[in-house]
Amino acid sequence: KQEVTQIPAALSVPEGENLVLNCSFTDSAIYNLQWFRQDPGKGLTSLLLIQSSQREQTSGRLNASLDKSSGRSTLYIAASQPGDSATYLCAVRPTDSWGKFQFGAGTQVVVTP
Amino acid sequence: GAVVSQHPSWVICKSGTSVKIECRSLDFQATTMFWYRQFPKQSLMLMATSNEGSKATYEQGVEKDKFLINHASLTLSTLTVTSAHPEDSSFYICSASPALSSYNEQFFGPGTRLTVL
Repeated sequence: KQEVTQIPAALSVPEGENLVLNCSFTDSAIYNLQWFRQDPGKGLTSLLLIQSSQREQTSGRLNASLDKSSGRSTLYIAASQPGDSATYLCAVRPTDSWGKFQFGAGTQVVVTP
Repeated sequence: GAVVSQHPSWVICKSGTSVKIECRSLDFQATTMFWYRQFPKQSLMLMATSNEGSKATYEQGVEKDKFLINHASLTLSTLTVTSAHPEDSSFYICSASPALSSYNEQFFGPGTRLTVL
């Protein structure tokens, strides 16, 4: 059974520092991996989607890497801002269960001014 | 980007009553929608897969008679929590993939907060 782990569970950094969020998964047979942002009491906002054949995706200050063979993905957020404070979730879609995502527990990020 | 809406955004009900939550894809057709549940400070857990025109597929441990799912059209899926109890209080989120999407990216609704008194 696929298990997704996110470390750390919580992270607090001063404004301007770079953020590094880690996601690991136990089964490398994935179709894709998606990073989401969730604000308190709100739904999910998709940040980046990485196909299994890709090694990274970039959008603005965000960069996500994927190493499928080692079961790892890292989300980098450059020059963090207080507005980046949220919970970040990663989710993998196994190849044997179409459409079903397996989510990690998330990393709660606080960026202090 | 693709937009998914949910209604209501929050609901409070008495124990024993039934509550219906709607999930709509606003600008695309979705043959498949997914329903998740999220307890406080926990991650999302998939409850069931909703397929247009057929019966939903439930994950292990999810009672199909308690969580009724109907996917009546390519843009609407409903989740009905029957005879709700306080332990059903949770944040319910749906997601949908565009039928013609080659990347199978999922788009999530804003969620529905259910509180059962």
